[in-house]
Amino acid sequence: TQLLEQSPQFLSIQEGENLTVYCNSSSVFSSLQWYRQEPGEGPVLLVTVVTGGEVKKLKRLTFQFGDARKDSSLHITAAQPGDTGLYLCAGAGTGFQKLVFGTGTRLLVSP
Amino acid sequence: NAGVMQNPRHLVRRRGQEARLRCSPMKGHSHVYWYRQLPEEGLKFMVYLQKENIIDESGMPKERFSAEFPKEGPSILRIQQVVRGDSAAYFCASSGTVTDTQYFGPGTRLTVL
Repeated sequence: TQLLEQSPQFLSIQEGENLTVYCNSSSVFSSLQWYRQEPGEGPVLLVTVVTGGEVKKLKRLTFQFGDARKDSSLHITAAQPGDTGLYLCAGAGTGFQKLVFGTGTRLLVSP
Repeated sequence: NAGVMQNPRHLVRRRGQEARLRCSPMKGHSHVYWYRQLPEEGLKFMVYLQKENIIDESGMPKERFSAEFPKEGPSILRIQQVVRGDSAAYFCASSGTVTDTQYFGPGTRLTVL
C-alpha cells in the first residue's frame, strides 16, 4: 500500500516568515501534485512535478521532486495570510492516475 | 464555468435513506474519479470511471455503494441505506486523459442523521 506522510501536520507562523512542508514515501511515484484546499471547498491544483530532481516555482512557492521520485517539498517564502489553508500532496503511480493523498499540512499565517 | 461541477453541495439524509451525488466533469474530460474525505482524514480514492465503464473500484465499500458514468449526463455516486459513518465530503475529479492532471470539484458534504 502506497502511503504519503506529510510534515508538519500543523504550522502556525507570522506573516513574512519562511516555511517548508515535506511529503515523504517509501514508494516511487510517476508524478506528484500539490493541492491547496480551503474549508468547504475542493482541492485546487498548485503544481505537478514529474521528473526526479525537478524544481518548479510559482511566485513565492517553490516545489521540489526528489531525485528518486519518492519525496517532495513545498517551500513558501515570506508567507502571507492568504497562504492559510490545507496543503495536500498527492502521488500518482504508473498507468492511470489513482491519486494517493498525503495526510495534509494545515498552515495558519497570522498578520 | 468550465470547471468540475458537483451537486448538491450539501446533502442531509436520515439513516436508511439513499444518497445520490452528481458530478459533471470539465468540458472535454471523459475520465472521472471519486474520492471521499472523512472528518479529520485525508482524501481516499473510491472509484475511477470512463464513459459507461468502471475501470477501477478498488476503493469502494463492497456494499451499498455504486457508481456510474453514463454516455449522456453526469457521473452518479449512489449510496444506499446510508449510515452515520457515511457522513463525509465526497469529491469528484476529472481529467482529459488517463495520465493528465486531475481537477477537483467543490465536493458534496453528506450528513447522515
